[in-house]
Amino acid sequence: GAVVSQHPSWVICKSGTSVKIECRSLDFQATTMFWYRQFPKQSLMLMATSNEGSKATYEQGVEKDKFLINHASLTLSTLTVTSAHPEDSSFYICSADRGLNTEAFFGQGTRLTVV
Amino acid sequence: AQSVTQPDIHITVSEGASLELRCNYSYGATPYLFWYVQSPGQGLQLLLKYFSGDTLVQGIKGFEAEFKRSQSSFNLRKPSVHWSDAAEYFCAVGANAGGTSYGKLTFGQGTILTVHP
Repeated sequence: GAVVSQHPSWVICKSGTSVKIECRSLDFQATTMFWYRQFPKQSLMLMATSNEGSKATYEQGVEKDKFLINHASLTLSTLTVTSAHPEDSSFYICSADRGLNTEAFFGQGTRLTVV
Repeated sequence: AQSVTQPDIHITVSEGASLELRCNYSYGATPYLFWYVQSPGQGLQLLLKYFSGDTLVQGIKGFEAEFKRSQSSFNLRKPSVHWSDAAEYFCAVGANAGGTSYGKLTFGQGTILTVHP
């Protein structure tokens, strides 16, 4: 149980285009989902927290107009990187929380390369 | 705001030797603490977690960690390292994200473990 699926696993896109990444909790309802970013040889940094049906809360320094997060249901959150540029190339990983005082469960991550 | 420090960026051990990875945290309340492992190009795997109760926590793959409130530490240990343990290890502290959600994680900088045969 507690499986989180993230899609796609990797994506290459041209500079200036937008990319959507999906995060699904397959066998539980996620009250909260989190999006992290990991640059090469660095740690993971929280980008935003999303709750179903409400606007995401972004961490300081994360551009909310560039990284659009939609949490339309209790099992799906999406991250759209708009007008992507090479500096957005990174590993993006989501996690989903059941909110039962347990750990959040991570997806497999998405490797984004902007060329 | 919470923070996590992993003082050792890179550790090298011989196969069969014991291992201890250090983690210090800063958090205003009772911390929810985690250790994750990440292989190159891969996602995160949870090794163990501490929420409450026994301060010595057992995890997968023979790992354990001890929560020491007085030292604000949560060090990861393994008595005998295997070559397959080579990876990057992250310590994290979980903050409340509303209700009973403690999945809002702050990660340490990570420790890269190299295992020599």
